[in-house]
Amino acid sequence: RKEVEQDPGPFNVPEGATVAFNCTYSNSASQSFFWYRQDCRKEPKLLMSVYSSGNEDGRFTAQLNRASQYISLLIRDSKLSDSATYLCVVRGAAGNKLTFGGGTRVLVKP
Amino acid sequence: NAGVTQTPKFQVLKTGQSMTLQCAQDMNHNSMYWYRQDPGMGLRLIYYSASEGTTDKGEVPNGYNVSRLNKREFSLRLESAAPSQTSVYFCASLVGGTNTGELFFGEGSRLTVL
Repeated sequence: RKEVEQDPGPFNVPEGATVAFNCTYSNSASQSFFWYRQDCRKEPKLLMSVYSSGNEDGRFTAQLNRASQYISLLIRDSKLSDSATYLCVVRGAAGNKLTFGGGTRVLVKP
Repeated sequence: NAGVTQTPKFQVLKTGQSMTLQCAQDMNHNSMYWYRQDPGMGLRLIYYSASEGTTDKGEVPNGYNVSRLNKREFSLRLESAAPSQTSVYFCASLVGGTNTGELFFGEGSRLTVL
């Protein structure tokens, strides 16, 4: 089993709609969690951290479910510019190991 | 402010050739990373260095060696390149802090092994 797994998609989303997707992780001792965004052929960039109590950043909401070992990302009122690959990242229990999931591709269409 | 700089940006090798990918950061970060990304896939960790003088294997270390030359520089070496190592290689450094996860990436090095 991979350490961090994501549905590769693509999720085809009408502009203005809501989309949500999850990321599961295998190590229950993982410390912290993040969502990154990657545009085609570009380097990934941090979108947001995921806090235990859940957190929002504008139209983006991230949640953590430690019992079931997954994190989620919800995008409200989708914009065409939200089309990208969303990568979840898990920081290990010890040290600074950061493991990426395979990414979820989101395509927002007019 | 350059951030993370990788060289070269593009390279074509023949099977069996060796090469070194260079990476330097000017943000005084302790931790540095090498990832590879194959088409349509996420990033896989090759090696990382939590601090100057230390290196650790990631998910896919076979066929690679690394050197943390100093705090700024972290190089990745392919001793005998294979077609399976055709990929985009990203170097990154980590903002300090116990629970941070903000990686700053270079622009990537696109390697083709024929």
